[in-house]
Amino acid sequence: EDKVVQSPLSLVVHEGDTVTLNCSYEVTNFRSLLWYKQEKKAPTFLFMLTSSGIEKKSGRLSSILDKKELFSILNITATQTGDSAVYLCAVGVETSGSRLTFGEGTQLTVNP
Amino acid sequence: EAGVAQSPRYKIIEKRQSVAFWCNPISGHATLYWYQQILGQGPKLLIQFQNNGVVDDSQLPKDRFSAERLKGVDSTLKIQPAKLEDSAVYLCASSSLGYGYTFGSGTRLTVV
Repeated sequence: EDKVVQSPLSLVVHEGDTVTLNCSYEVTNFRSLLWYKQEKKAPTFLFMLTSSGIEKKSGRLSSILDKKELFSILNITATQTGDSAVYLCAVGVETSGSRLTFGEGTQLTVNP
Repeated sequence: EAGVAQSPRYKIIEKRQSVAFWCNPISGHATLYWYQQILGQGPKLLIQFQNNGVVDDSQLPKDRFSAERLKGVDSTLKIQPAKLEDSAVYLCASSSLGYGYTFGSGTRLTVV
Protein backbone atom coordinates (compact mmCIF):
# COMPACT_ATOMS: atom_id res chain seq x y z
CA GLU A 1 0.00 0.00 0.00
CA ASP A 2 1.29 3.45 -0.93
CA LYS A 3 2.21 5.61 2.04
CA VAL A 4 3.04 9.30 2.47
CA VAL A 5 4.12 10.60 5.88
CA GLN A 6 4.48 14.26 6.76
CA SER A 7 6.19 15.82 9.76
CA PRO A 8 5.68 17.68 11.89
CA LEU A 9 1.88 17.44 12.00
CA SER A 10 1.66 20.94 13.41
CA LEU A 11 4.03 23.84 13.84
CA VAL A 12 3.68 27.27 15.43
CA VAL A 13 6.21 29.97 14.59
CA HIS A 14 6.59 33.73 14.69
CA GLU A 15 6.61 35.97 11.66
CA GLY A 16 10.04 36.09 10.09
CA ASP A 17 11.00 32.58 11.11
CA THR A 18 12.13 29.98 8.57
CA VAL A 19 10.35 26.63 8.56
CA THR A 20 11.09 23.26 7.00
CA LEU A 21 8.31 20.78 6.36
CA ASN A 22 9.11 17.14 5.69
CA CYS A 23 7.52 14.49 3.51
CA SER A 24 8.63 10.88 3.17
CA TYR A 25 7.01 8.31 0.93
CA GLU A 26 6.82 4.63 0.07
CA VAL A 27 5.04 4.05 -3.21
CA THR A 28 5.37 1.77 -6.19
CA ASN A 29 5.93 3.29 -9.61
CA PHE A 30 6.75 6.81 -8.40
CA ARG A 31 5.97 9.52 -10.92
CA SER A 32 5.97 12.86 -9.10
CA LEU A 33 5.71 14.55 -5.73
CA LEU A 34 3.48 17.56 -5.29
CA TRP A 35 3.08 20.15 -2.57
CA TYR A 36 -0.21 21.93 -1.96
CA LYS A 37 -1.33 24.72 0.36
CA GLN A 38 -4.80 24.36 1.84
CA GLU A 39 -6.28 27.38 3.57
CA LYS A 40 -10.02 26.76 3.46
CA LYS A 41 -11.22 23.93 1.26
CA ALA A 42 -9.50 23.60 -2.10
CA PRO A 43 -5.81 22.66 -2.05
CA THR A 44 -3.84 25.07 -4.21
CA PHE A 45 -0.81 23.85 -6.13
CA LEU A 46 2.67 24.92 -5.06
CA PHE A 47 5.25 22.63 -6.67
CA MET A 48 5.63 19.44 -8.63
CA LEU A 49 8.93 17.58 -8.34
CA THR A 50 10.02 14.72 -10.52
CA SER A 51 13.82 14.79 -10.44
CA SER A 52 16.20 14.46 -7.50
CA GLY A 53 18.32 17.36 -6.37
CA ILE A 54 16.71 20.07 -8.45
CA GLU A 55 15.32 22.82 -6.26
CA LYS A 56 12.05 24.41 -7.24
CA LYS A 57 11.60 27.96 -5.99
CA SER A 58 8.75 30.44 -5.89
CA GLY A 59 9.31 33.59 -3.89
CA ARG A 60 9.93 32.61 -0.27
CA LEU A 61 9.00 28.97 -0.87
CA SER A 62 11.33 26.30 -2.16
CA SER A 63 11.27 22.53 -2.36
CA ILE A 64 13.60 19.70 -3.24
CA LEU A 65 13.23 15.97 -3.79
CA ASP A 66 15.55 13.11 -2.89
CA LYS A 67 14.45 10.00 -4.81
CA LYS A 68 17.16 7.85 -3.28
CA GLU A 69 16.12 8.54 0.32
CA LEU A 70 12.43 8.92 -0.67
CA PHE A 71 11.71 12.29 0.84
CA SER A 72 11.08 15.91 0.06
CA ILE A 73 11.26 19.13 2.04
CA LEU A 74 9.36 22.36 1.68
CA ASN A 75 11.10 25.47 3.00
CA ILE A 76 9.42 28.75 3.76
CA THR A 77 11.68 31.67 4.63
CA ALA A 78 10.67 34.95 6.32
CA THR A 79 7.25 33.52 7.18
CA GLN A 80 4.20 35.76 7.19
CA THR A 81 0.79 35.35 8.83
CA GLY A 82 -0.62 34.66 5.38
CA ASP A 83 1.47 31.49 5.24
CA SER A 84 -0.74 29.97 7.95
CA ALA A 85 -2.38 26.94 6.34
CA VAL A 86 -2.22 23.19 6.03
CA TYR A 87 0.57 22.07 3.71
CA LEU A 88 -0.15 18.81 1.93
CA CYS A 89 2.35 16.52 0.28
CA ALA A 90 1.07 14.12 -2.36
CA VAL A 91 2.73 11.49 -4.51
CA GLY A 92 1.61 10.60 -8.00
CA VAL A 93 2.14 7.12 -9.40
CA GLU A 94 2.45 5.75 -12.90
CA THR A 95 -1.07 4.57 -13.44
CA SER A 96 -3.56 5.69 -16.01
CA GLY A 97 -4.50 9.22 -14.97
CA SER A 98 -1.95 9.35 -12.14
CA ARG A 99 -3.91 9.25 -8.88
CA LEU A 100 -2.42 11.10 -5.90
CA THR A 101 -1.77 9.67 -2.45
CA PHE A 102 -1.74 12.39 0.20
CA GLY A 103 -0.06 12.71 3.55
CA GLU A 104 -1.96 13.97 6.56
CA GLY A 105 -0.65 17.47 6.17
CA THR A 106 1.30 19.90 8.35
CA GLN A 107 -0.73 22.60 10.07
CA LEU A 108 1.45 25.72 10.06
CA THR A 109 0.46 28.67 12.23
CA VAL A 110 2.44 31.89 11.90
CA ASN A 111 1.87 34.34 14.74
CA PRO A 112 2.54 38.07 14.38
CA GLU B 1 -9.66 29.07 -18.00
CA ALA B 2 -12.61 28.28 -15.73
CA GLY B 3 -11.79 26.12 -12.72
CA VAL B 4 -13.38 22.95 -11.41
CA ALA B 5 -16.95 23.72 -10.35
CA GLN B 6 -18.65 21.90 -7.50
CA SER B 7 -22.04 22.18 -5.88
CA PRO B 8 -23.47 22.49 -3.36
CA ARG B 9 -20.89 24.23 -1.17
CA TYR B 10 -22.42 22.93 2.05
CA LYS B 11 -24.91 20.23 2.93
CA ILE B 12 -26.33 19.10 6.25
CA ILE B 13 -28.36 15.88 6.32
CA GLU B 14 -29.54 13.40 8.89
CA LYS B 15 -28.02 9.94 9.01
CA ARG B 16 -29.67 7.42 6.70
CA GLN B 17 -30.68 10.16 4.26
CA SER B 18 -29.22 10.36 0.76
CA VAL B 19 -27.17 13.15 -0.78
CA ALA B 20 -25.62 13.92 -4.17
CA PHE B 21 -22.72 16.14 -5.16
CA TRP B 22 -22.00 17.52 -8.60
CA CYS B 23 -18.71 18.34 -10.33
CA ASN B 24 -17.91 20.02 -13.63
CA PRO B 25 -14.20 19.62 -14.49
CA ILE B 26 -11.97 21.91 -16.50
CA SER B 27 -12.88 21.74 -20.16
CA GLY B 28 -10.83 19.13 -21.97
CA HIS B 29 -9.62 17.34 -18.84
CA ALA B 30 -10.19 13.66 -19.45
CA THR B 31 -9.44 12.52 -15.91
CA LEU B 32 -11.75 13.31 -13.01
CA TYR B 33 -11.24 12.38 -9.37
CA TRP B 34 -13.39 12.41 -6.25
CA TYR B 35 -11.56 12.71 -2.93
CA GLN B 36 -12.89 12.54 0.61
CA GLN B 37 -11.14 14.68 3.21
CA ILE B 38 -12.07 14.02 6.82
CA LEU B 39 -11.18 16.81 9.25
CA GLY B 40 -7.51 16.68 10.19
CA GLN B 41 -6.58 14.22 7.45
CA GLY B 42 -5.27 14.43 3.92
CA PRO B 43 -7.61 13.81 0.99
CA LYS B 44 -8.30 10.17 0.18
CA LEU B 45 -9.14 9.08 -3.35
CA LEU B 46 -12.62 7.59 -3.70
CA ILE B 47 -12.89 7.15 -7.45
CA GLN B 48 -11.04 8.09 -10.62
CA PHE B 49 -12.59 8.37 -14.08
CA GLN B 50 -10.84 8.46 -17.42
CA ASN B 51 -13.42 9.99 -19.76
CA ASN B 52 -16.55 8.08 -18.74
CA GLY B 53 -14.79 4.90 -17.61
CA VAL B 54 -13.78 4.04 -14.05
CA VAL B 55 -10.01 3.64 -13.59
CA ASP B 56 -9.84 3.15 -9.83
CA ASP B 57 -12.65 2.75 -7.32
CA SER B 58 -10.84 0.48 -4.89
CA GLN B 59 -11.43 2.80 -1.91
CA LEU B 60 -15.05 3.63 -2.68
CA PRO B 61 -17.48 2.11 -0.11
CA LYS B 62 -19.67 0.63 -2.78
CA ASP B 63 -22.44 -0.44 -0.42
CA ARG B 64 -23.37 3.21 0.05
CA PHE B 65 -21.38 5.35 -2.38
CA SER B 66 -21.86 5.54 -6.14
CA ALA B 67 -20.50 7.82 -8.82
CA GLU B 68 -21.03 8.31 -12.51
CA ARG B 69 -19.66 10.34 -15.35
CA LEU B 70 -22.05 9.48 -18.13
CA LYS B 71 -20.89 11.72 -20.97
CA GLY B 72 -17.26 12.00 -19.94
CA VAL B 73 -17.71 15.54 -18.61
CA ASP B 74 -19.81 16.22 -15.48
CA SER B 75 -19.84 13.79 -12.61
CA THR B 76 -22.08 13.10 -9.66
CA LEU B 77 -21.20 11.36 -6.40
CA LYS B 78 -24.02 9.93 -4.32
CA ILE B 79 -24.20 8.61 -0.77
CA GLN B 80 -27.16 6.48 0.23
CA PRO B 81 -27.72 6.00 3.12
CA ALA B 82 -25.35 8.43 4.83
CA LYS B 83 -23.56 7.62 8.08
CA LEU B 84 -22.12 9.97 10.68
CA GLU B 85 -18.58 9.04 9.60
CA ASP B 86 -19.30 10.36 6.09
CA SER B 87 -19.02 13.91 7.43
CA ALA B 88 -16.16 15.36 5.42
CA VAL B 89 -15.24 17.68 2.58
CA TYR B 90 -15.72 16.05 -0.81
CA LEU B 91 -13.24 17.39 -3.33
CA CYS B 92 -13.44 16.97 -7.06
CA ALA B 93 -10.31 17.37 -9.16
CA SER B 94 -9.48 17.05 -12.83
CA SER B 95 -6.31 16.65 -14.80
CA SER B 96 -5.03 16.32 -18.31
CA LEU B 97 -2.71 13.34 -18.86
CA GLY B 98 -1.99 13.24 -15.11
CA TYR B 99 -0.66 16.80 -15.01
CA GLY B 100 -2.31 20.13 -14.39
CA TYR B 101 -4.13 18.70 -11.42
CA THR B 102 -6.78 21.21 -10.28
CA PHE B 103 -9.14 20.93 -7.34
CA GLY B 104 -12.60 22.37 -6.93
CA SER B 105 -13.55 24.24 -3.79
CA GLY B 106 -15.30 21.18 -2.39
CA THR B 107 -18.58 20.34 -0.69
CA ARG B 108 -18.63 20.23 3.09
CA LEU B 109 -21.01 17.49 4.21
CA THR B 110 -22.24 17.27 7.78
CA VAL B 111 -24.23 14.21 8.77
CA VAL B 112 -26.17 14.61 12.05
